Amino acid sequence: SQKIEQNSEALNIQEGKTATLTCNYTNYSPAYLQWYRQDPGRGPVFLLLIRENEKEKRKERLKVTFDTTLKQSLFHITASQPADSATYLCALNNNAGNMLTFGGGTRLMVKP
Amino acid sequence: GAVVSQHPSWVICKSGTSVKIECRSLDFQATTMFWYRQFPKQSLMLMATSNEGSKATYEQGVEKDKFLINHASLTLSTLTVTSAHPEDSSFYICSASMGGSASTDTQYFGPGTRLTVL
Repeated sequence: SQKIEQNSEALNIQEGKTATLTCNYTNYSPAYLQWYRQDPGRGPVFLLLIRENEKEKRKERLKVTFDTTLKQSLFHITASQPADSATYLCALNNNAGNMLTFGGGTRLMVKP
Repeated sequence: GAVVSQHPSWVICKSGTSVKIECRSLDFQATTMFWYRQFPKQSLMLMATSNEGSKATYEQGVEKDKFLINHASLTLSTLTVTSAHPEDSSFYICSASMGGSASTDTQYFGPGTRLTVL
């Protein structure tokens, strides 16, 4: 069966450290993968998109990697700040046009 | 740019009534709009996809007669929850994409609507 797995346990890190979140998928062959941030009671906010032929994508303090062999994407936040505390969702297209399927999300808590 | 609004942001209704939720793309034309439902501490589950002027495509297990979707223009889609029951209480989120290259469309999400059915 198809699965998108993110660590359901909250990730607690100290301010200034690098946060690394994992997204693993099975039985998908996505053309691209996206990462979103969601704050409580709000809709997701798009962060980054990485295509299947890209290994890495960066945007300011964010870095995403995409390994289609391991079927895994890693999402890094460097120099983390308390304001980065949120739930981060990975999503990939399910080969049906531009529809997205979301992982369960990982909650990140950055402590000052 | 790429702002999506939803109205209302929250609604409380009695069981058996119908509730309409609006989703608008404020500064772009949305070829496709998506409706999701999210239960507490769970991820977004796609309910349906709608293209302007066409009937919505519903995901398996979503009752189309209960969740009526209308995508009358390139900037507005509505979701009507008919004969709402307490189990329909959830966080409903819409998103919109601009079209173009279908393989790389980014979805822009609304802020969500919290529905509570008493």
